[in-house]
Amino acid sequence: GNSVTQMEGPVTLSEEAFLTINCTYTATGYPSLFWYVQYPGEGLQLLLKATKADDKGSNKGFEATYRKETTSFHLEKGSVQVSDSAVYFCALSDEVSGNTPLVFGKGTRLSVIA
Amino acid sequence: GAGVSQSPSNKVTEKGKDVELRCDPISGHTALYWYRQSLGQGLEFLIYFQGNSAPDKSGLPSDRFSAERTGGSVSTLTIQRTQQEDSAVYLCASSPDSEETQYFGPGTRLLVL
Repeated sequence: GNSVTQMEGPVTLSEEAFLTINCTYTATGYPSLFWYVQYPGEGLQLLLKATKADDKGSNKGFEATYRKETTSFHLEKGSVQVSDSAVYFCALSDEVSGNTPLVFGKGTRLSVIA
Repeated sequence: GAGVSQSPSNKVTEKGKDVELRCDPISGHTALYWYRQSLGQGLEFLIYFQGNSAPDKSGLPSDRFSAERTGGSVSTLTIQRTQQEDSAVYLCASSPDSEETQYFGPGTRLLVL
């Protein structure tokens, strides 16, 4: 079956540091890939997505590239801010049909300190 | 516009009681999903509705869990005879037809004593 593995946290960084959160997946087909973010006390929000190989999703300075050859979708940001402190979830959905449940990784908690 | 809303935001109940959790999806969204977020388990899929029918109930953990959706809109997740292991945040999400992006509600935090 489909699965997502992401690096375990917590990750603690100083402001303006470079961020990488690794995510790899296992899928039988060609899934779409997502990063969701959960800020303290808030619900899950879509951060970015990519629907096919070599696509790059980007938003709020975050980027992730869909790498089919390595089955990866690592999240990166060049300079983190305190406001980026949150839990980040990598997820996939089956590409066969438009509406399918998401399969999530376990989440990575990021803390950015000033 | 209005996002996905869920009620109650918090629920404390005693073991053995039944609870109902409500989800109001974004207007016009045909697909509706229930997930559970618990410590150590991450986010688990429970059930998915397309319109009023549930083509995928594979994530429901036991027959104490059931859900329905009426009018292609509001959905209710019912947990009968609650157990302490049911304590979690229950998340609802909706999406438009043929779109993979899901929009999440704020969740209902359930605590079973």
